[in-house]
Amino acid sequence: QSVLTQPPSVSAAPGQKVTISCSGSSSNIGNNYVSWYQQLPGTAPKLLIYENNKRPSGIPDRFSGSKSGTSATLGITGLQTGDEADYYCGTWDSSFYVFGTGTKVTVL
Amino acid sequence: QLQLQESGSGLVKPSQTLSLTCAVSGGSISSGGYSWSWIRQPPGKGLEWIGYIYHSGSTYYNPSLKSRVTISVDRSKNQFSLKLSSVTAADTAVYYCARTDGDYWYFDLWGRGTLVTVSS
Repeated sequence: QSVLTQPPSVSAAPGQKVTISCSGSSSNIGNNYVSWYQQLPGTAPKLLIYENNKRPSGIPDRFSGSKSGTSATLGITGLQTGDEADYYCGTWDSSFYVFGTGTKVTVL
Repeated sequence: QLQLQESGSGLVKPSQTLSLTCAVSGGSISSGGYSWSWIRQPPGKGLEWIGYIYHSGSTYYNPSLKSRVTISVDRSKNQFSLKLSSVTAADTAVYYCARTDGDYWYFDLWGRGTLVTVSS
């Protein structure tokens, strides 16, 4: 059972913005960097955001990350049909790595 | 360009040991100071970190699996491996290997994953 809580689903129309929250505690998000992963249907996860708010090469600036206290947020602007996927946050917790519960993004 | 490819038995009997290998191609497993992880995903469920081997050779495991897991690296073959003993149906999952930044904790390169089914 994950200690990082995400909303099960979020949705918006093309071109709109969505935000995905990731709620944790002082033992994980509060004291460690957060990363975010996108998992398109039937594929392996892909790194979207690392060290709270950095984007790997090739990730468009429509994707952004932030962290405040024991919570983190992924933002997606200019939503596209190709953004339909599951999104997971993740961070270190005391002595092991934890992923969030996952959020399904639906483009209406 | 570095690539990771999982391989191993796709069907394992209950109580036996699951064995998987992740071959690293396009570069050396020993360069860059990276660490190497195994992550799994049961069908229709979320991601679960299994453990990783640090570039120094130290290993760290998920406490929930620690008693059954062994991760090792064979630098001469440019690959690392996972062994999970005493498997049950609950271990049925897609298993991914991933390159890991062990200092800032993120997985920047993933294999395509391999499905392992535990069934008699």
